[in-house]
Amino acid sequence: ETGVTQSPTHLIKTRGQQVTLRCSSQSGHNTVSWYQQALGQGPQFIFQYYREEENGRGNFPPRFSGLQFPNYSSELNVNALELDDSALYLCASSLGSYSGVNTGELFFGEGSRLTVL
Amino acid sequence: SQKIEQNSEALNIQEGKTATLTCNYTNYSPAYLQWYRQDPGRGPVFLLLIRENEKEKRKERLKVTFDTTLKQSLFHITASQPADSATYLCALPYGGATNKLIFGTGTLLAVQP
Repeated sequence: ETGVTQSPTHLIKTRGQQVTLRCSSQSGHNTVSWYQQALGQGPQFIFQYYREEENGRGNFPPRFSGLQFPNYSSELNVNALELDDSALYLCASSLGSYSGVNTGELFFGEGSRLTVL
Repeated sequence: SQKIEQNSEALNIQEGKTATLTCNYTNYSPAYLQWYRQDPGRGPVFLLLIRENEKEKRKERLKVTFDTTLKQSLFHITASQPADSATYLCALPYGGATNKLIFGTGTLLAVQP
């Protein structure tokens, strides 16, 4: 049990809609990263939040946005959903954003499976 | 940009044998490399991290090697068991020692009883 919880576990949306996914990080962790995993692919880095500030972003358009709250929980928002946004969205927490702070390992939640019709 | 290549075909082995999975990267040598295990419909679980100045790391039946000259890491599971069947992901940092990771596509390991 990693301690990282995500909600909802599954959801279905239609093209053009907006979605909010939520993540509670493991106790004591101040960094949350979001990844998108399409079927048969490895996770792709979306962005990272460290102490409530965005701390790096992957190759995703601005309609992917996020927030981190004072308790270090986080939200991922996706606007104007497209069919290609269908994927497993993974949240990962860690202590710090550099491997020098800890072992560098990420603790993943079980993901939110988004289907866009 | 950094690219990671893992065996795209599934690896089928007999119980008790050693499974060897390969991870190749194409660009700069990373400060470290990580291996994760992912079961169907679940999030990845961290297994091992090996740093650039380490040649080999072991944890129970797992062994990882890191060859910065070949730009390759090998992941071994000795005395494999059916419970080891899963997808194994290799991951590198985007740059420096950050924990923003680039993942490979993973290799599916199937251990037959």
